[in-house]
Amino acid sequence: TQLLEQSPQFLSIQEGENLTVYCNSSSVFSSLQWYRQEPGEGPVLLVTVVTGGEVKKLKRLTFQFGDARKDSSLHITAAQPGDTGLYLCAGARGGSNYKLTFGKGTLLTVNP
Amino acid sequence: NAGVTQTPKFQVLKTGQSMTLQCAQDMNHEYMSWYRQDPGMGLRLIHYSVGAGITDQGEVPNGYNVSRSTTEDFPLRLLSAAPSQTSVYFCASWDTGASSYNSPLHFGNGTRLTVT
Repeated sequence: TQLLEQSPQFLSIQEGENLTVYCNSSSVFSSLQWYRQEPGEGPVLLVTVVTGGEVKKLKRLTFQFGDARKDSSLHITAAQPGDTGLYLCAGARGGSNYKLTFGKGTLLTVNP
Repeated sequence: NAGVTQTPKFQVLKTGQSMTLQCAQDMNHEYMSWYRQDPGMGLRLIHYSVGAGITDQGEVPNGYNVSRSTTEDFPLRLLSAAPSQTSVYFCASWDTGASSYNSPLHFGNGTRLTVT
């Protein structure tokens, strides 16, 4: 059962454009993490959001956790080719990463 | 600091063969886990361990065995490989002693397994 739905699955944009990736669930999570994965490597954590309504910024990346802690979004401003990669959201329950549930991922390609 | 090391990077097996995917971490993390990543399916948890001598099943455990005799190592065994086990396998560890909410899973670089 896929508890976390990510959209879109694929996204190809031009350098300088803005984009938003969504991560939705019918379940409540204690925290939600966003990872980025590059070809041939394992995922690397970008950010963790914990509080409903929380907004975190990482340079040109803005992450938001929904008020009900069931959904999250990742917004990238002025995308660059270096942003290319697979973006994964992952939800934790009970305050631990013991059984972290991952979404299917959004494959982003930023063309120069 | 090597982090999480997985070997081999690539492996081809024939149906019915057995093999062990190795995973080692040097961060003294109590928690270790195995995920498989398939196109369109994301990462799915196979088995995990919260410490030496303790293992538990994840979402897709069938066809895989694990053991945890030391804190550092968490091997994944395929006793009789099947084509459905063709996938990329990732090992991950986590510092359970750190703040749960902000500590990440540390992933290895994966083992790409093909079963023919």
